[in-house]
Amino acid sequence: TQLLEQSPQFLSIQEGENLTVYCNSSSVFSSLQWYRQEPGEGPVLLVTVVTGGEVKKLKRLTFQFGDARKDSSLHITAAQPGDTGLYLCAGLYNFNKFYFGSGTKLNVKP
Amino acid sequence: KAGVTQTPRYLIKTRGQQVTLSCSPISGHRSVSWYQQTPGQGLQFLFEYFSETQRNKGNFPGRFSGRQFSNSRSEMNVSTLELGDSALYLCASSSEPYNEQFFGPGTRLTVL
Repeated sequence: TQLLEQSPQFLSIQEGENLTVYCNSSSVFSSLQWYRQEPGEGPVLLVTVVTGGEVKKLKRLTFQFGDARKDSSLHITAAQPGDTGLYLCAGLYNFNKFYFGSGTKLNVKP
Repeated sequence: KAGVTQTPRYLIKTRGQQVTLSCSPISGHRSVSWYQQTPGQGLQFLFEYFSETQRNKGNFPGRFSGRQFSNSRSEMNVSTLELGDSALYLCASSSEPYNEQFFGPGTRLTVL
């Protein structure tokens, strides 16, 4: 079993639609990161959230860390084809190790 | 600043052989972590090095080993390769352990 569960696993939407990706756990994390990965490349860091309840915005992307620091969400407004990729959440557990979620594969059709 | 570099980018080996992968972190970063990525298991943590010391290790067999040099460059070695070792091996560097990680492009290893 994964320490971090991501949902949905796959998402195929039309350009202009909104979407939310979830990252859930029963464990508390010191911090949580979101990455985007394109085929054949390494993940690229999008954001780090540290404080429970924290909300960060990056253009059309909004990231939220749950109050109890056990879950997080990524919301994309008006998705574009350039948003296509694998979205990964990674939690720092026990100040010791990063655990990655299984990922959400997003496809935005023009 | 140059990003994390990994060599080689692609590698094909046969079962039973061994392989060494190399990672050069971002200049000034002293922490290097290694991950294995497969379609079935996702990203799995292998080990983390800081100032030439292995600080943390994931749940992988002893065939997987690594080291870090005084210039922070790191290598990982896999001995007695198995078909299931086929994966994308990713290296990530950070300025301090458990800080934000910056990934390299990975080495795609195929074991035949």
